[in-house]
This record gives sequence, structure tokens and C-alpha cells, in this order.
Amino acid sequence: GENVEQHPSTLSVQEGDSAVIKCTYSDSASNYFPWYKQELGKRPQLIIDIRSNVGEKKDQRIAVTLNKTAKHFSLHITETQPEDSAVYFCAASPSYNQGGKLIFGQGTELSVKP
Amino acid sequence: DAMVIQNPRYQVTQFGKPVTLSCSQTLNHNVMYWYQQKSSQAPKLLFHYYDKDFNNEADTPDNFQSRRPNTSFCFLDIRSPGLGDAAMYLCATSRDLPGLETQYFGPGTRLLVL
Repeated sequence: GENVEQHPSTLSVQEGDSAVIKCTYSDSASNYFPWYKQELGKRPQLIIDIRSNVGEKKDQRIAVTLNKTAKHFSLHITETQPEDSAVYFCAASPSYNQGGKLIFGQGTELSVKP
Repeated sequence: DAMVIQNPRYQVTQFGKPVTLSCSQTLNHNVMYWYQQKSSQAPKLLFHYYDKDFNNEADTPDNFQSRRPNTSFCFLDIRSPGLGDAAMYLCATSRDLPGLETQYFGPGTRLLVL
């Protein structure tokens, strides 16, 4: 089955710097890759997602890149702000006919220092 | 955000005393999920319903059961809670399975077992 590895487990940056979180997956049939942000005590919230027919997607300060050949995808946050501090989870989903469900990475705790 | 609702937000139960957590949704989504999330860990899928079809994860303990009496509601029953079951329980919904549709999380119920 699918396995998702996420790195780093913790990341500390200065306000205004960029942050990059990387994930690798094992199942080449996976075709959907969301990123969730979870603030302390709150629900995971979808911040961006990408499908396998796209190599890059951007939404304001957040971008995700996907390399299907290498089976890895990354979250890029530019001009980080203190409110970006949270735990970020990547996930991968095999195709629908393989019982599609989200397989989560282990999470990255991002700390943005003012 | 209020479209996936979980009650109660905090639940305290005694060791071995059955407890039921509830989730409701106004999105008319076909799929409802229950996740368990312990501190500093990724959400762990317990089971999901696609309409009335129940799908149990292989490693979900028998102590955990679920009911979905109609499209809008889904319940998580813990028959005999142990100390290790203390966690945040997250309900999520999606119009279809991941890979096809986005998954949205409710605010969660934090369960404390005394």
C-alpha cells in the first residue's frame, strides 16, 4: 500500500523567509496530493492540493510542486508570517478504483519567528 | 466551516464506560470518515462510509464501531474506552473518494478517559 514520508519534522524560519516541506510517496498510482494546515487544537484545513496531471500549482504565497517520476511533492511558502506557524500535513491518495483514501505524512511543525 | 459539525467538542468518560461521538454535515456529501488523532501525530483513519457502505481499516480495534443512519449523520461508538483511546476524534466528509473530491474536516471532539 501507499506510504508517505514527510520532512523535516520541525522547521523554524524567520518572518519573511521561505519555507519548504517535502514529501515522498511510494505508490505510483497515487494521483491526488493535498496539503493540510493544522493549528494547535483545531481541525486540519486544506490549504492547497494538486493532481497528477499538473506539475505545479500556486495560490498567493503558497505553491505545491509535483514530480511524478521521482514520486515527490513539496510545499513552498514564501514571505512567511507568524500566522503561518502550525503543523502541516501532506497526503497522497491512490486512484478511486484502488479504494482511494488519504495517506498522511507524519507532519511538519513550522515555527515562524517574528 | 460550520458545515461539518461535531458534538460534543469535549467529552470526558470513565475507563470502560461506552461513549458515542456524533458528526453531522450539511454538504450532502456521500462519504464520511472517522479519524483518530493523538498529540503530534497525523490523523489515523478508523473507517469510512461511502453512502451506506461501511469500510473498516484493517487495524481499527473492534472496540470502535460506527453507524450512519442517514446521509447527514455519522456516529462513532467506543464500546469500552481505555486510557489509550484518549485522543482527538475528527470527522471528515467528501462528495466522493479522495482522488476525485476534496476532504473536509470537522472541528473534532477531544476525548478524555479517566
